[in-house]
Amino acid sequence: DTGVSQDPRHKITKRGQNVTFRCDPISEHNRLYWYRQTLGQGPEFLTYFQNEAQLEKSRLLSDRFSAERPKGSFSTLEIQRTEQGDSAMYLCASSLTGAENSPLHFGNGTRLTVT
Amino acid sequence: DAKTTQPNSMESNEEEPVHLPCNHSTISGTDYIHWYRQLPSQGPEYVIHGLTSNVNNRMASLAIAEDRKSSTLILHRATLRDAAVYYCILRMNRDDKIIFGKGTRLHILP
Repeated sequence: DTGVSQDPRHKITKRGQNVTFRCDPISEHNRLYWYRQTLGQGPEFLTYFQNEAQLEKSRLLSDRFSAERPKGSFSTLEIQRTEQGDSAMYLCASSLTGAENSPLHFGNGTRLTVT
Repeated sequence: DAKTTQPNSMESNEEEPVHLPCNHSTISGTDYIHWYRQLPSQGPEYVIHGLTSNVNNRMASLAIAEDRKSSTLILHRATLRDAAVYYCILRMNRDDKIIFGKGTRLHILP
């Protein structure tokens, strides 16, 4: 079990640029989640996939955000035309449906700073 | 989503037990009570969960009130590595997404 990995760990970008983050879940996990966390707050749910299907998107996920999981394995989260308010930690998690409790396993996140 | 209420922060001395409370007065009969914690600079990690009965695992114990309107996470002997934000969460079924609140920031004093 190599855990959930996220890349990059840190990203600094200028306002208006596009950024893309990658998440590699635990290999047999069919569910993949994206969360966003700002300082002093708990993680906020953004979206989740079951295999390659995106099953739910939060209202927090504006049109500038898009997530994909093309082959049901890794996922990418793209933010277009970044704004300073997008600065946050972006967390990815995975789980196996049907397993006892199906706990979410989180990566250590990608910290985005928009200048 | 059913809500939970936790103190913003708590302090405890190292090597002493810690009791972290959580109120969930609007819990429904099918909601599971989950606890996650988030160490500094890391993603959250699962700690424990329960439905009605008290639960123990290698990390902690979970005590659930008889009416299920509150629960307590118990760390039997806190260490400095237990300093983290602890989240109490209600989850309707095992495949639901997790909705986090602000949690309790636990400080451990050496």
